[in-house]
Amino acid sequence: KQEVTQIPAALSVPEGENLVLNCSFTDSAIYNLQWFRQDPGKGLTSLLLIQSSQREQTSGRLNASLDKSSGRSTLYIAASQPGDSATYLCAVSVLQGAQKLVFGQGTRLTINP
Amino acid sequence: NAGVTQTPKFQVLKTGQSMTLQCAQDMNHNSMYWYRQDPGMGLRLIYYSASEGTTDKGEVPNGYNVSRLNKREFSLRLESAAPSQTSVYFCASSEDRGLRGYTFGSGTRLTVV
Repeated sequence: KQEVTQIPAALSVPEGENLVLNCSFTDSAIYNLQWFRQDPGKGLTSLLLIQSSQREQTSGRLNASLDKSSGRSTLYIAASQPGDSATYLCAVSVLQGAQKLVFGQGTRLTINP
Repeated sequence: NAGVTQTPKFQVLKTGQSMTLQCAQDMNHNSMYWYRQDPGMGLRLIYYSASEGTTDKGEVPNGYNVSRLNKREFSLRLESAAPSQTSVYFCASSEDRGLRGYTFGSGTRLTVV
């Protein structure tokens, strides 16, 4: 059974710092990996999607990497801003019939002004 | 705006009452999903529909039923609500079995008293 773990569970940093969020998964047979952002009381917003054949994806100040063989992904946020404060969720799409997402528990990020 | 629309956004039920959560997508996606999100448990798959006319159980299907009404709509029904079903429910959809990622609705916050 695929399991996804995100470390740390919570992170608080001052504004302007670069930071890395970690995601690990137990089964390398994934279709793709997706990072989401969730603001309190809101839905999930897709940030980056990495296909299993790709190594990384970039969008603005965000960069996500994928090492499928070791079961790891990182989300790098450059020059963090208070507006980046949210919970970040990592999810892998598993290769079992219809593709389904398995989620990590998330990292709650707080950027202090 | 294109996306996944869920109704209602909030609902309070008494134990034993029934209700249907509605979900519609306008992206011509084949697959649709229902997740629930609980503190400490993350997002867990309740049911999914790989394509119009098919539905399958996910990780936590007990107490729920679903209907894939047409390609656009996928409803989740609670026949006899229980306090353990208090949660935030998210509907999602994907094209090509998740090849281009998943799109989530804004959620339904359900409280069963």
